[in-house]
Amino acid sequence: DGGITQSPKYLFRKEGQNVTLSCEQNLNHDAMYWYRQDPGQGLRLIYYSQIVNDFQKGDIAEGYSVSREKKESFPLTVTSAQKNPTAFYLCASQVGPDGSVANTIYFGEGSWLTVV
Amino acid sequence: QKEVEQNSGPLSVPEGAIASLNCTYSDRVSQSFFWYRQYSGKSPELIMSIYSNGDKEDGRFTAQLNKASQYVSLLIRDSQPSDSATYLCAVNDRGSTLGRLYFGRGTQLTVWP
Repeated sequence: DGGITQSPKYLFRKEGQNVTLSCEQNLNHDAMYWYRQDPGQGLRLIYYSQIVNDFQKGDIAEGYSVSREKKESFPLTVTSAQKNPTAFYLCASQVGPDGSVANTIYFGEGSWLTVV
Repeated sequence: QKEVEQNSGPLSVPEGAIASLNCTYSDRVSQSFFWYRQYSGKSPELIMSIYSNGDKEDGRFTAQLNKASQYVSLLIRDSQPSDSATYLCAVNDRGSTLGRLYFGRGTQLTVWP
């Protein structure tokens, strides 16, 4: 099936530990995104990438890092510098810059990260 | 920072009624508007997109856009208990970074039998 796969679905992090969330898509989409959602809050953009080997900071990039070595993959690392990482993390992808339909963003199923 | 405001919930309607969800946005040049449905613990699911002023209908859902008033709404006709979810309004400025959606906090809808 085509889609966006995030793993793991649930992850626990100890204080001072880095963890990496995986995001893979087989939709041949150019752009990929990471959003964070806290309870009762809207989604906030962490990082995004419109092309391989290039990515940009979103609104809340501090304490996070990403890479985009392959079109299909956009992993997110939550570093120890992120002091309040407990949240629901959503990866998303988008076709590309041409046409209004391309503005549609599709989400993966999300990953829950909890600090223990 | 673009602002997207949604009417505060929770919203509760009986089965079969019309549910009306509202959203306003701050950036006058915004071009693309989306409604996502999010069930508890799940990821958002796109249910409607609208780009031009007026109404757009898809089954029981109708999106309404008024760019002059910077207002977009979602009507759900013949509401069903399965429509109970949080509805997120999202706005994308075509002139800005592609795909950079700005989300409202969502309106929680409960449809009771």
